[in-house]
Amino acid sequence: DGGITQSPKYLFRKEGQNVTLSCEQNLNHDAMYWYRQDPGQGLRLIYYSQIVNDFQKGDIAEGYSVSREKKESFPLTVTSAQKNPTAFYLCASSTTDREVSPLHFGNGTRLTVT
Amino acid sequence: GEDVEQSLFLSVREGDSSVINCTYTDSSSTYLYWYKQEPGAGLQLLTYIFSNMDMKQDQRLTVLLNKKDKHLSLRIADTQTGDSAIYFCAERATPLVFGKGTRLSVIA
Repeated sequence: DGGITQSPKYLFRKEGQNVTLSCEQNLNHDAMYWYRQDPGQGLRLIYYSQIVNDFQKGDIAEGYSVSREKKESFPLTVTSAQKNPTAFYLCASSTTDREVSPLHFGNGTRLTVT
Repeated sequence: GEDVEQSLFLSVREGDSSVINCTYTDSSSTYLYWYKQEPGAGLQLLTYIFSNMDMKQDQRLTVLLNKKDKHLSLRIADTQTGDSAIYFCAERATPLVFGKGTRLSVIA
């Protein structure tokens, strides 16, 4: 079955450490996205990529970094510069060549930094 | 820029209909989407509608679109406890613009 896999589901880190969240898709989608979700805040866009080797900052990119070396993969690194990293992180992908191009989401990674 | 607004909470009794409302700002032709998020999970696409349509029905779900007022609604008939979730509307853009989500609570 095609889909988006985020791993791990739960992640714990000490303050001051960088951590990388994995996102892999086998839907052959060109575009991939990272969102952060906090209670009552809805979804906030961190980074997105519409093609391999290219990505754009979203609304809250500070303290995060990404890479897009392969079409299938879009890892997100939460750096020690991110002030409040504890949150639920969602990865998504979509086509770019059709008029109807909804996002398909993974099941998320809950990051807790203490 | 685009903006999508939703009320944050809705509570209904099991078996009643639920109506979740959304307003959007983009006046160009566009697709509008409804997503459902269950606790601890990602978002699942429920349905979508193109802005030249007034209504779309899919089993228990009915989407109504008022283009003049830029108002979108999702009606869930015969609401069940399994419908308890957060519902997001989204407006087609690059990237999609999401509302903050409406938390639906179903009371047995």
